[in-house]
Amino acid sequence: DAKTTQPPSMDCAEGRAANLPCNHSTISGNEYVYWYRQIHSQGPQYIIHGLKNNETNEMASLIITEDRKSSTLILPHATLRDTAVYYCIPISSGSARQLTFGSGTQLTVLP
Amino acid sequence: ETGVTQTPRHLVMGMTNKKSLKCEQHLGHNAMYWYKQSAKKPLELMFVYNFKEQTENNSVPSRFSPECPNSSHLFLHLHTLQPEDSALYLCASSLDHRSSSYNEQFFGPGTRLTVL
Repeated sequence: DAKTTQPPSMDCAEGRAANLPCNHSTISGNEYVYWYRQIHSQGPQYIIHGLKNNETNEMASLIITEDRKSSTLILPHATLRDTAVYYCIPISSGSARQLTFGSGTQLTVLP
Repeated sequence: ETGVTQTPRHLVMGMTNKKSLKCEQHLGHNAMYWYKQSAKKPLELMFVYNFKEQTENNSVPSRFSPECPNSSHLFLHLHTLQPEDSALYLCASSLDHRSSSYNEQFFGPGTRLTVL
């Protein structure tokens, strides 16, 4: 599995965009980049995933660099409820894969 | 109810007690998972069931005993636990663990377990 590097913590002002980076320089060609988040004392929640194209859904946007060695999760208008630990997880297709959570980024949205 | 539910939400037990955690999913999924999350540690996968059959056991001590009577229900039976087993126990489900493409996992709220 590809290793990931995420900053341990970030702050963001409420209403502003939160940009969470992830480095996955050893990602292989068949590995998707998945993002989950975990609000304190709750179960993790799926956010978005992508392979090489940028993706957007109702929760967030995912920007993946052309060389696929890094990606950025964007929460366009962060709210206090977005305060959580955000995990970037490479997962390969074509076989059964289990989630392997690293340390993630603690995002704190400030009022 | 929808999604993945877990009961109880909080549990305090002594080391000699026997208790069970329950998970139920209403998503029509066929795979269910138990994870453990200790304080300040990443989630650790414990068990995986796919179509009621256990497909993975990540070297979990025998004092944790899973049971999956059907695709919608998953139990974790606990006996003679240690204080270091205190953690948040999370249940998750997905469509099919052995699908050729990864299926997102949907998590329950967890059971906060304290072993005295």
